Amino acid sequence: GAVVSQHPSWVICKSGTSVKIECRSLDFQATTMFWYRQFPKQSLMLMATSNEGSKATYEQGVEKDKFLINHASLTLSTLTVTSAHPEDSSFYICSALDLSSMNTEAFFGQGTRLTVV
Amino acid sequence: GESVGLHLPTLSVQEGDNSIINCAYSNSASDYFIWYKQESGKGPQFIIDIRSNMDKRQGQRVTVLLNKTVKHLSLQIAATQPGDSAVYFCAENIRAAGNKLTFGGGTRVLVKP
Repeated sequence: GAVVSQHPSWVICKSGTSVKIECRSLDFQATTMFWYRQFPKQSLMLMATSNEGSKATYEQGVEKDKFLINHASLTLSTLTVTSAHPEDSSFYICSALDLSSMNTEAFFGQGTRLTVV
Repeated sequence: GESVGLHLPTLSVQEGDNSIINCAYSNSASDYFIWYKQESGKGPQFIIDIRSNMDKRQGQRVTVLLNKTVKHLSLQIAATQPGDSAVYFCAENIRAAGNKLTFGGGTRVLVKP
């Protein structure tokens, strides 16, 4: 299957700083990518839909000014957690849609563990 | 709002036995369902999917059953192996809603040797 790469796989940052997470589709073009957040022992919760060349669509309750999403190319979307606080510590996962596949399959990155101290 | 849910949070199974993981969904507009496996510290891994116009689909050691009448989805794993220990999520997709996936709560499968 197609490969989606996330970077970094883990990051520790100080409270008040910003952190950027990258999501790349390595062997296919993705006009749409999704960003999820997963707290320990919980399911994945969709944060936003990232569309290449346009503004992201955020789910209800997700602050767009805190979680900045940029999808500048067909293979790269970035999520920036601005002014991070300990409650932002979580596992962030992206997925990318491969529209060329028959089932419009979503491929997931390996996730980024963010710890804010 | 509508959501996808699971009945059992943890399933312990003896190695070699079959596992059955259940999932209830509530959105009748969902047209595509997927089962994912997630190991600790990793992203979800695709296992098998099924379209809403089907009621059964088989893969290698896995079978997904869909009962639209009661809005129920199940994943059967044959001859469960230690490597099957993970958390399993069902997810539903509505293509008309931009292919956003809604995930269920997850079931942890523990395989006992």
